[in-house]
Amino acid sequence: GQQLNQSPQSMFIQEGEDVSMNCTSSSIFNTWLWYKQDPGEGPVLLIALYKAGELTSNGRLTAQFGITRKDSFLNISASIPSDVGIYFCAGAFGNEKLTFGTGTRLTIIP
Amino acid sequence: ETGVTQSPTHLIKTRGQQVTLRCSSQSGHNTVSWYQQALGQGPQFIFQYYREEENGRGNFPPRFSGLQFPNYSSELNVNALELDDSALYLCASSTKTGVVETQYFGPGTRLLVL
Repeated sequence: GQQLNQSPQSMFIQEGEDVSMNCTSSSIFNTWLWYKQDPGEGPVLLIALYKAGELTSNGRLTAQFGITRKDSFLNISASIPSDVGIYFCAGAFGNEKLTFGTGTRLTIIP
Repeated sequence: ETGVTQSPTHLIKTRGQQVTLRCSSQSGHNTVSWYQQALGQGPQFIFQYYREEENGRGNFPPRFSGLQFPNYSSELNVNALELDDSALYLCASSTKTGVVETQYFGPGTRLLVL
């Protein structure tokens, strides 16, 4: 099945650094969502975006819905150890299924 | 905690067997979606149930089937298990109140097919 392209595939950063990741699609969506998944758990919703160009924050997390409706970006500022995990973007068109990205694995180097 | 629960948490089956996975949706949600997540991949949509009817299906064969009950809980059934069916199976609940719905995931059932 289709998966959205996420980059980078993995990141190794030091605590306190900022993180940027993005997600691109060949088709348009009218909803973009960002999830975080810890080992052995289901994805947890971080941020939801509903309008092209929208910029939304949730604490240290900021996400943007791309103007073309084919991409989205997630930034994490001043990373902390609990930010470790796999981040997934997901797009939806209307009330339909979520199409997920391939994931970005974030590791914090001590 | 999303309020979405799944059972069992882990399951081991052999090829050719059948399996039933269960999901209880978050209170107030009337829609359940099922996803398959292979190791190292993002979740893939299997199907969605809304008010006890299938409401959309992904690219999965008919041996993947489901049910939704009047209390909106749901089951995923997989017949004639294959090795490639080994994965984390996730359910997500939501409410169809408008154009957009936000899906909340359960912890998943990890299925291993030997």
